[in-house]
Amino acid sequence: DAGVTQSPTHLIKTRGQQVTLRCSPISGHKSVSWYQQVLGQGPQFIFQYYEKEERGRGNFPDRFSARQFPNYSSELNVNALLLGDSALYLCASSWETDYYEQYFGPGTRLTVT
Amino acid sequence: DQQVKQNSPSLSVQEGRISILNCDYTNSMFDYFLWYKKYPAEGPTFLISISSIKDKNEDGRFTVFLNKSAKHLSLHIVPSQPGDSAVYFCAARRNYGQNFVFGPGTRLSVLP
Repeated sequence: DAGVTQSPTHLIKTRGQQVTLRCSPISGHKSVSWYQQVLGQGPQFIFQYYEKEERGRGNFPDRFSARQFPNYSSELNVNALLLGDSALYLCASSWETDYYEQYFGPGTRLTVT
Repeated sequence: DQQVKQNSPSLSVQEGRISILNCDYTNSMFDYFLWYKKYPAEGPTFLISISSIKDKNEDGRFTVFLNKSAKHLSLHIVPSQPGDSAVYFCAARRNYGQNFVFGPGTRLSVLP
């Protein structure tokens, strides 16, 4: 069975640019969450989507946005990139909204120069 | 303000010995705790959990202990194996449906 997949694997962007990261959940999972992991820190919660609706939002600026599609895949968008946005972006999927049973993808490494 | 702390960035243990990874938290409202393991180039994978109504949970070589009065939990791995070498994250949540708050992680190296 395919796990959570994320694309691209790596990405290099310049300050001020915009980026879109993609996530495909495990088949049958309806919930997708996004996390940012800065080097030396643990994952920090950004968003959760369930059945195409936002169910949770972490302490991130409005430059960060996301959406979930009818097939439950998801995109994370970050506008006006800052150097501090350089991080590993992790996607996790789960059956329901509870975060306990969530499965993480390998992440997208974003470097902002 | 870090609500979940893992004060040891790294830990080295000899194969076959016990590994003890520690986690401290500041929010007394946390009611559920998880440990995740992360290998390079992979996402974190769930390892073991414990509810605040328990003080111990065991799963094979892995045992998690919770001391609510001290706001401290620990993960014991016995015996440690080289394949256990990874970064271990402690995570906690306030109640059902709330997102988990992660600690910064501890890198465990099990030496053959």
